[in-house]
Amino acid sequence: AQTVTQSQPEMSVQEAETVTLSCTYDTSENNYYLFWYKQPPSRQMILVIRQEAYKQQNATENRFSVNFQKAAKSFSLKISDSQLGDTAMYFCAFMRTNTGNQFYFGTGTSLTVIP
Amino acid sequence: DAGVIQSPRHEVTEMGQEVTLRCKPISGHDYLFWYRQTMMRGLELLIYFNNNVPIDDSGMPEDRFSAKMPNASFSTLKIQPSEPRDSAVYFCASSSSREYEQYFGPGTRLTVT
Repeated sequence: AQTVTQSQPEMSVQEAETVTLSCTYDTSENNYYLFWYKQPPSRQMILVIRQEAYKQQNATENRFSVNFQKAAKSFSLKISDSQLGDTAMYFCAFMRTNTGNQFYFGTGTSLTVIP
Repeated sequence: DAGVIQSPRHEVTEMGQEVTLRCKPISGHDYLFWYRQTMMRGLELLIYFNNNVPIDDSGMPEDRFSAKMPNASFSTLKIQPSEPRDSAVYFCASSSSREYEQYFGPGTRLTVT
């Protein structure tokens, strides 16, 4: 079975500062995808960023970037210039590419941006 | 595209009643997923479909839960009879075998009293 671990249940950051959320996963697969989703208080699940395991280059989307360490099975999310709208629950997710599009989600990290 | 559509957004019902949640996936997506989210258990996958066929229903809690996908644009999740412990937010998500990322609906908040 695939497992995804988010070891930080809660985090906080000052507005305009940088914060890194951790995620580790366990798999014997070589080809897979990793995702970060954001769930604000509105509860809508929003895709933040995705990473293909075969790509060595870390994915970046504006203020959001990842540090993908395949050998260490680590996939952390860095949020730069934090904004109040970044306050949300963040979920890391893993997906194998050879058995359908099933996701395995972590338990989430609750991030609060402090004004 | 309007995204994944779920109805109703909120449902309050009494224990023992039948509840039906509805989902319309994004047009062209061939995967559909039903999730349940609670504070205690987090986000749980209940069942998912590929091309309208159920692939894995191992997450369905018990026989009181059933899901159908009669066509590519509609799916239902039914709970009969409902119990207070079924209170949760139920999400529907869809994805494409070409893109992989899942797109979530707004969720249905179910309260069983």
